[in-house]
Amino acid sequence: GQQLNQSPQSMFIQEGEDVSMNCTSSSIFNTWLWYKQEPGEGPVLLIALYKAGELTSNGRLTAQFGITRKDSFLNISASIPSDVGIYFCAGRYTGANSKLTFGKGITLSVRP
Amino acid sequence: EAGVTQFPSHSVIEKGQTVTLRCDPISGHDNLYWYRRVMGKEIKFLLHFVKESKQDESGMPNNRFLAERTGGTYSTLKVQPAELEDSGVYFCASSQVWGTEAFFGQGTRLTVV
Repeated sequence: GQQLNQSPQSMFIQEGEDVSMNCTSSSIFNTWLWYKQEPGEGPVLLIALYKAGELTSNGRLTAQFGITRKDSFLNISASIPSDVGIYFCAGRYTGANSKLTFGKGITLSVRP
Repeated sequence: EAGVTQFPSHSVIEKGQTVTLRCDPISGHDNLYWYRRVMGKEIKFLLHFVKESKQDESGMPNNRFLAERTGGTYSTLKVQPAELEDSGVYFCASSQVWGTEAFFGQGTRLTVV
């Protein structure tokens, strides 16, 4: 089946630093999504990408849909302590409202 | 407006017992999804309802899992009998119309001992 690869499993950065996360797949996806999960909560959508090559920002977050449709990255600039959480990438191949395929997630820790 | 709500938030049961998880989607959302995350692994799709009909149940692990959505409102996911490998966090998500992304509930953490 389709799989999304996210690594490393954990990242530790200093407050104020920028961080970049990649997500790769051997399969093509038509939609890429980035979610953040905080303890005791469900995943919350950060950015949605619907077109190959698309670059989208949401505040300090920027994400891009890779031109090959097999990868995406998420950048967080000037990190702050509340950026702590698990960041998941997710892809969708078939039509709107069909199932999502998720990566394993990256746990981000931010040192003050 | 209330978000997607899941009950219970935690459940600890013994192997062989039955557990029923409930999801209340956002009002008016026809699409309802169940996902599961086993510790340290990816969030995996289980099934998708459109109103009361099962649109896609390709992710259901085996016949010990039964999902229902009578009346097209809330949904239940029953595991009977539970096995150790069923432990994980079960997420429900809902969406309103075609092309909108789903909102997730807070999840139910199921521990089978």
